[in-house]
Amino acid sequence: KAGVTQTPRYLIKTRGQQVTLSCSPISGHRSVSWYQQTPGQGLQFLFEYFSETQRNKGNFPGRFSGRQFSNSRSEMNVSTLELGDSALYLCASSPEQGGIQYFGAGTRLSVL
Amino acid sequence: DQQVKQNSPSLSVQEGRISILNCDYTNSMFDYFLWYKKYPAEGPTFLISISSIKDKNEDGRFTVFLNKSAKHLSLHIVPSQPGDSAVYFCAASDSGTYKYIFGTGTRLKVLA
Repeated sequence: KAGVTQTPRYLIKTRGQQVTLSCSPISGHRSVSWYQQTPGQGLQFLFEYFSETQRNKGNFPGRFSGRQFSNSRSEMNVSTLELGDSALYLCASSPEQGGIQYFGAGTRLSVL
Repeated sequence: DQQVKQNSPSLSVQEGRISILNCDYTNSMFDYFLWYKKYPAEGPTFLISISSIKDKNEDGRFTVFLNKSAKHLSLHIVPSQPGDSAVYFCAASDSGTYKYIFGTGTRLKVLA
């Protein structure tokens, strides 16, 4: 079974631009969560989608948004990028809400 | 407000000895805990979990202990191997929200 796939692996953007990151969960998994990892901050929860609905949200500004499609694939969008948005963005999927989460390799975003 | 804390940023252990990684939490509603291991340039990999109805769970060289009254859990790795060198994250959730909160991680270095 293929694991969680995140694309692209690396991105370089400039301040003020917007970016879209993609996540394909493990086949059959219906829950997709997104996290931001920065040095010293661990994994900060962004949001979780289950059956195309956002079920949980972390403490991030409205510039961070996401969606989930009917095939459980998910996208995350960040608008009006700031330097502080530079981070590793991780996607995780699980069969149901609250189950063990399986992570992708992440997308490393650099904002210049 | 860091609800899940890993107070040791790093730990060095000799090969063959025991590694003990600690995690403290503040939210008494947390009832499910997981440990993940992360190598550079990879996503976190699930290691072991424990629910609040247990105080110990074992899987091979890995054992997780949960002390609910102290709001403390620990991961024991015996014997430690050089391949265990990685960053270890603990995570907690409550079955009401299904939202996972991660600690900031402990970097384990196993010396050959």
